[in-house]
Amino acid sequence: EVQLVESGGGLVQPGGSLRLSCSASGFTFRSYWMTWVRQAPGKGLEWVANINPDGGDTYYLDSVKGRFAISRDNAKNSLYLQMNSLRPDDTAVYFCARFGLTAALDCWGQGNLVTVSS
Amino acid sequence: QSALTQPRSVSGSPGQSITIPCTGTSSDVGGSNYVSWYQQHPGKAPKVLISEVNKRPSGVPDRFSASKSGNTASLTISGLQAEDEADYYCCSTAGFHIYAFGTGTQVTVL
Repeated sequence: EVQLVESGGGLVQPGGSLRLSCSASGFTFRSYWMTWVRQAPGKGLEWVANINPDGGDTYYLDSVKGRFAISRDNAKNSLYLQMNSLRPDDTAVYFCARFGLTAALDCWGQGNLVTVSS
Repeated sequence: QSALTQPRSVSGSPGQSITIPCTGTSSDVGGSNYVSWYQQHPGKAPKVLISEVNKRPSGVPDRFSASKSGNTASLTISGLQAEDEADYYCCSTAGFHIYAFGTGTQVTVL
């Protein structure tokens, strides 16, 4: 079964840092583009970042560029999102997801809540 | 990187058809072959309904169909069912490996 399981969320103060992890199973992780998508409470989906299969190319939403870093460890079948200089408007459920062969997000994690508040 | 525009809500009776538009620009929807649609029930992760503008992944009922004209993509749900009550989002490439989601539409089955 194709599965993505996130971990690492929680409460952090403004200006703080947090690292999200996403563990993949049931598919050849190293062959797929991966992404992070977030959803603020009661709001819509927002694309955050992409990474290519070998981890050499990354792309970001303008508002997180320079603060967030997406990375992956193909040996561990894991995706990461390092979040620095966190702001209250970064508060959201963060989903990791897989880009399928048709460039649609065909597998999603369960979501992980990140709350930025003092 | 602006969100694509969707109506806040759409409603219909069981058995009816509804259409959800997703309006962007020539830099995203209008210039993209990679428009997708997602269904999200409360408290759940989204699920893909449509990829590449109008392709339905295996397992998605054929009641769901989609198209694109100019800068507007559309999702149609035919034969509306109670379980279709959910939020729906479009998504498009908006640059080189950059993506934008729609603002989301809440579908209510009357």
